[in-house]
Amino acid sequence: GAGVSQSPRYKVAKRGQDVALRCDPISGHVSLFWYQQALGQGPEFLTYFQNEAQLDKSGLPSDRFFAERPEGSVSTLKIQRTQQEDSAVYLCASSLGGGPDTQYFGPGTRLTVL
Amino acid sequence: EDQVTQSPEALRLQEGESSSLNCSYTVSGLRGLFWYRQDPGKGPEFLFTLYSAGEEKEKERLKATLTKKESFLHITAPKPEDSATYLCAVPPWTGGGNKLTFGTGTQLKVEL
Repeated sequence: GAGVSQSPRYKVAKRGQDVALRCDPISGHVSLFWYQQALGQGPEFLTYFQNEAQLDKSGLPSDRFFAERPEGSVSTLKIQRTQQEDSAVYLCASSLGGGPDTQYFGPGTRLTVL
Repeated sequence: EDQVTQSPEALRLQEGESSSLNCSYTVSGLRGLFWYRQDPGKGPEFLFTLYSAGEEKEKERLKATLTKKESFLHITAPKPEDSATYLCAVPPWTGGGNKLTFGTGTQLKVEL
């Protein structure tokens, strides 16, 4: 079946622009996660949804970062007024249930802020 | 705070030269330890989940083992296609939901 998909795969933004990154999880997966991965590092947690409820947003680095999952399926990560330090790969993952199930990752969106 | 440390940071092997990657963790309690493989430009690909000390899982040339404080990923007779970054991760014991804390990974290069 289809895996997790993300779009766009690559995004170049000028500093100060707003960007929106989309994640389509595996159909039927309850949990959805966003991670940020810097070059040469492991993914770092940003935020977590169970259905449409955002249960943990402790990893969002500033109030410029906002995520939503209004219908419990597709999710969007929005970054306002992008800064150079926001340049990274943004990964989305989904898991079937609400427990520590296996998380399946999408291919990521590489964001470059000039 | 949960911590995951992986070693070595990078490893270069000749084809057929077996070795092991290490993942040590400090968590209050273990609700699972996950191994992923990541190829350049791609998202992490799930390999194994281990839940209790003594548990072992195998897939082709890979075998993952778990003790109370660390996990090993053994690679037997590796091939060039095994070249990738291998990541391990743990969920929090309490309070943090199911977010994963990842190590920085071991970058494996297998040469002919």
